[in-house]
Amino acid sequence: DAGVTQSPTHLIKTRGQQVTLRCSPKSGHDTVSWYQQALGQGPQFIFQYYEEEERQRGNFPDRFSGHQFPNYSSELNVNALLLGDSALYLCASSSLIFRSYNEQFFGPGTRLTVL
Amino acid sequence: DAKTTQPNSMESNEEEPVHLPCNHSTISGTDYIHWYRQLPSQGPEYVIHGLTSNVNNRMASLAIAEDRKSSTLILHRATLRDAAVYYCILLNQAGTALIFGKGTTLSVSS
Repeated sequence: DAGVTQSPTHLIKTRGQQVTLRCSPKSGHDTVSWYQQALGQGPQFIFQYYEEEERQRGNFPDRFSGHQFPNYSSELNVNALLLGDSALYLCASSSLIFRSYNEQFFGPGTRLTVL
Repeated sequence: DAKTTQPNSMESNEEEPVHLPCNHSTISGTDYIHWYRQLPSQGPEYVIHGLTSNVNNRMASLAIAEDRKSSTLILHRATLRDAAVYYCILLNQAGTALIFGKGTTLSVSS
């Protein structure tokens, strides 16, 4: 089992551009969550997808959007990039049916730098 | 979501036990106590969780106070690989988003 995989590993963009990050969940998992982690801070929840729908969202602007595909993989899209969007973007997968025992498995993250 | 309070940092020597405290005085009856840790340059990883009773697994033990207003993550024999940021998180049955605080940075010396 490859666990949670994310691509790309690193990405450099300029202000105003758009970016798409990708995540494949752990085998058997149907729920994908995205987190943003600024340097020196704990991860901040962006949103969560289950059955191809956004089921929960954190305090992030509409510039942040996502998608989940029938195979449970997911994309995070960020439009009109700002310098403050520079961060490590983490994807986590879990199985929603065990929601009270919510062990989430995290990927290694995508390091986004906005210049 | 109820808030947790953890010390910013702690130090330990290798092969000694480590007790990482977490205060959660506003915890509700349905909140589970979860611990995650994040090693340098890696995503967070699940450590342990509990509701009311003390819990043990291969990585650690979780001791929960009788009134549930505090808990302690216990690493029985710290290794250099245990140096990480440890996060104490409360999660209720209906919520699935992990709300991370700043956590406790654990340093382990040989």
